[in-house]
Amino acid sequence: QKEVEQDPGPLSVPEGAIVSLNCTYSNSAFQYFMWYRQYSRKGPELLMYTYSSGNKEDGRFTAQVDKSSKYISLFIRDSQPSDSATYLCARVRGSTLGRLYFGRGTQLTVWP
Amino acid sequence: KAGVTQTPRYLIKTRGQQVTLSCSPISGHRSVSWYQQTPGQGLQFLFEYFSETQRNKGNFPGRFSGRQFSNSRSEMNVSTLELGDSALYLCASSPGTGQFYGYTFGSGTRLTVV
Repeated sequence: QKEVEQDPGPLSVPEGAIVSLNCTYSNSAFQYFMWYRQYSRKGPELLMYTYSSGNKEDGRFTAQVDKSSKYISLFIRDSQPSDSATYLCARVRGSTLGRLYFGRGTQLTVWP
Repeated sequence: KAGVTQTPRYLIKTRGQQVTLSCSPISGHRSVSWYQQTPGQGLQFLFEYFSETQRNKGNFPGRFSGRQFSNSRSEMNVSTLELGDSALYLCASSPGTGQFYGYTFGSGTRLTVV
């Protein structure tokens, strides 16, 4: 079983919609979770990171970790065409800090 | 504050050749890690260096190697290139110790092996 599983999509929504992106993880020995946004032919850009469990909000973005179900989510409110990109979830384990485990990425298109 | 700089941005090499990629981390960051990204496999971890020592290693053959210099700059080398090594190679830097701030990636080096 992979460390992090992510539905690759693609996901297509109209401008202004609320977007929900999800990942599951398999190992409870986690420490931090991250969400990256990657535009075509660019490197991943760190959006947010969370520790352990709970919610974290930054502008239109909210990251959520549910320990009981081993689920991590990213919500995008009032989505914009400029949000069209691939979104990657990642985790890093305390025992191997320095090694990120990535999901496969979800391709999101926000159409005007 | 300058970001993570990777050079070159693009490379075309022939099978059997070797290649060296360079990564300059954010100033003050001591951890540099390398990833290979392909459409089929996604992002796969190669190795991580911290203060000139390899701290973590992924499941890649010995043809893939790296090193880190005293100024935290890092290089990775791939010898005897194969067609399957064509990929986007990304490096990421972080402080490596103390408070966690996540990992910042460079724009990558796109390697094409022909």
